[in-house]
Amino acid sequence: SQQGEEDPQALSIQEGENATMNCSYKTSINNLQWYRQNSGRGLVHLILIRSNEREKHSGRLRVTLDTSKKSSSLLITASRAADTASYFCATISYNQGGKLIFGQGTELSVKP
Amino acid sequence: KAGVTQTPRYLIKTRGQQVTLSCSPISGHRSVSWYQQTPGQGLQFLFEYFSETQRNKGNFPGRFSGRQFSNSRSEMNVSTLELGDSALYLCASSLNAGQDPYEQYFGPGTRLTVT
Repeated sequence: SQQGEEDPQALSIQEGENATMNCSYKTSINNLQWYRQNSGRGLVHLILIRSNEREKHSGRLRVTLDTSKKSSSLLITASRAADTASYFCATISYNQGGKLIFGQGTELSVKP
Repeated sequence: KAGVTQTPRYLIKTRGQQVTLSCSPISGHRSVSWYQQTPGQGLQFLFEYFSETQRNKGNFPGRFSGRQFSNSRSEMNVSTLELGDSALYLCASSLNAGQDPYEQYFGPGTRLTVT
């Protein structure tokens, strides 16, 4: 079963705009990860944030984590057409089997 | 380093047949996980192997099985195929299993179509 729910399910923006995707989960976690998937291909790991971290940056990506609300957000700044993809959050809890559980994903479309 | 490779990339099978998919992890990675991705159910965890032992299993029927070899390569098998087994099957490898940071590296997937 899916751990997380992502919001929105689909997002369409213009190049240069920022894109924000949200992820909520149900149980306590050790870390939360974001992945990108281009059109039916494999997933690419983007960024990992640990449960004791609140914010993390990587290039144009900014991830926040609020463990009290069991939610995370992924911000992509100055988006490009090449950012068009599906984005998934995945959580892991090492004392609950230690496997990654994925959300349903957000489909991002960036129009040139 | 070469990435995760999966073979075959595309496969068409008939209901009732069986199929074997193969995954070669990144060199040095000892954990291999398998996922099924469908439009309706999303990404569903099938199982994970670490050092030739299954350490985690998802909620799939016994028709889905897997194994891992001493070189960490893994295969998954689906017997008595059903139409609902049509999906993208993704394999992912990681250096360790169940230990921080546990980042997974995915292969391109095998697209299975059951007719």
